[in-house]
Amino acid sequence: DTAVSQTPKYLVTQMGNDKSIKCEQNLGHDTMYWYKQDSKKFLKIMFSYNNKELIINETVPNRFSPKSPDKAHLNLHINSLELGDSAVYFCASSPTDRGIVGTEAFFGQGTRLTVV
Amino acid sequence: SQQGEEDPQALSIQEGENATMNCSYKTSINNLQWYRQNSGRGLVHLILIRSNEREKHSGRLRVTLDTSKKSSSLLITASRAADTASYFCATNQGSSNTGKLIFGQGTTLQVKP
Repeated sequence: DTAVSQTPKYLVTQMGNDKSIKCEQNLGHDTMYWYKQDSKKFLKIMFSYNNKELIINETVPNRFSPKSPDKAHLNLHINSLELGDSAVYFCASSPTDRGIVGTEAFFGQGTRLTVV
Repeated sequence: SQQGEEDPQALSIQEGENATMNCSYKTSINNLQWYRQNSGRGLVHLILIRSNEREKHSGRLRVTLDTSKKSSSLLITASRAADTASYFCATNQGSSNTGKLIFGQGTTLQVKP
């Protein structure tokens, strides 16, 4: 009954490969996100979808492409992986409260991506 | 750009002592939130304070917000070894309604038994 689940938890891959990370939430939230946490624990938003529509697209290389088949799923596909993509990627979701999006974010356990 | 800044970056205390962490931000906000992250785990939401609130309590947690100074503090009273974790403040900006959270760099708290 995990609220926000993402797979895989660990991903080790070679430079140049293409990989995907999947995320699902069973909380009924309208908004889902991808965040990246670097080695210094700095967390930065990458993308956000609200009801399957892209609403945030930060300055992220276009090798990263999110896909939301429905509002409960937000997957992240990464092409041509580079060493600098190594990080922990977190999926999150949040409800809308009184018209304000993002009153509380629920995070997945993270996917530690290592590019070698 | 990075909005939240936290201090101290690291804090080490004895069990039973109080821990105070501070957060500063730059622009107007809808709310400010605090999260905890245990090593190797995801972030867990602790408490949210709205821009029109000044203080909020939840169990051993007390959060204050001073919008004139654009700062917040998180106080953990009677700390326990299990409170050892990284703590992040995050702001939900007032100028947009996307749910985007901007995180501080975090405070690493160590509570020694």
